[in-house]
Amino acid sequence: QVTFKESGPALVKPTQTLTLTCTLSGLSVSTSGMRVTWIRQPPGKALEWLARIDWDDEEFYTTSLRTRLAISKDTSRNQVVLTMTNMDPMDTGTYYCARMNPQPGRLFDLDIWGQGTMVSVSS
Amino acid sequence: SYKLTQPLSVSVALGQTATITCGADNIGNEDVHWYQQKPGQAPVVVIYRNTNRPSGIPERFSGSISGNTATLTIGGAQGSDESVYFCQLWDRSSKHILFGGGTTLTVL
Repeated sequence: QVTFKESGPALVKPTQTLTLTCTLSGLSVSTSGMRVTWIRQPPGKALEWLARIDWDDEEFYTTSLRTRLAISKDTSRNQVVLTMTNMDPMDTGTYYCARMNPQPGRLFDLDIWGQGTMVSVSS
Repeated sequence: SYKLTQPLSVSVALGQTATITCGADNIGNEDVHWYQQKPGQAPVVVIYRNTNRPSGIPERFSGSISGNTATLTIGGAQGSDESVYFCQLWDRSSKHILFGGGTTLTVL
């Protein structure tokens, strides 16, 4: 069974750094064509793409948060890690990891999602 | 870069046809995907590449695209279709993923 599962703190304080982990089961982060993204969603609001890392370690970031984000992968643990610095209450929301579909002809719809992890930023 | 615009809400009578739009300049040149999100759940793709339905998605879901608008159509809407729907594309030039603001569908 193929699953993605997010984990991380439920509560962080303003100015702290958030570290989230996406653990893959049934798929390898190193498989050619694997592209894993992080997406967040403030309560009741829209989805926002944050970052992506590919099987060959190429990284992509949303422009507005580029200076605060870092994405990496741990091949031995089959995980993708996202860090976000200088957290603010506006960063409160559910954080998802998802796969960009590698199938030819699908052109990168997001076909596998984790259940999401809720992060609140408050002092 | 694209800015994807969706109506905040759409209402449809049970069994009637619902249409949800996603607008952006020249969106007709891109491949748009549509997601359904129920409360407390992750989004699920219901249409990929403008018009294609993944296996397991009911036939009443269809998509189209033309000019500056992509459209998700739900024919014969059911109560179970009440959800938030998001459009999404992959911007080839920036290699960024973009989402629309989401549309809440209410089935009356």
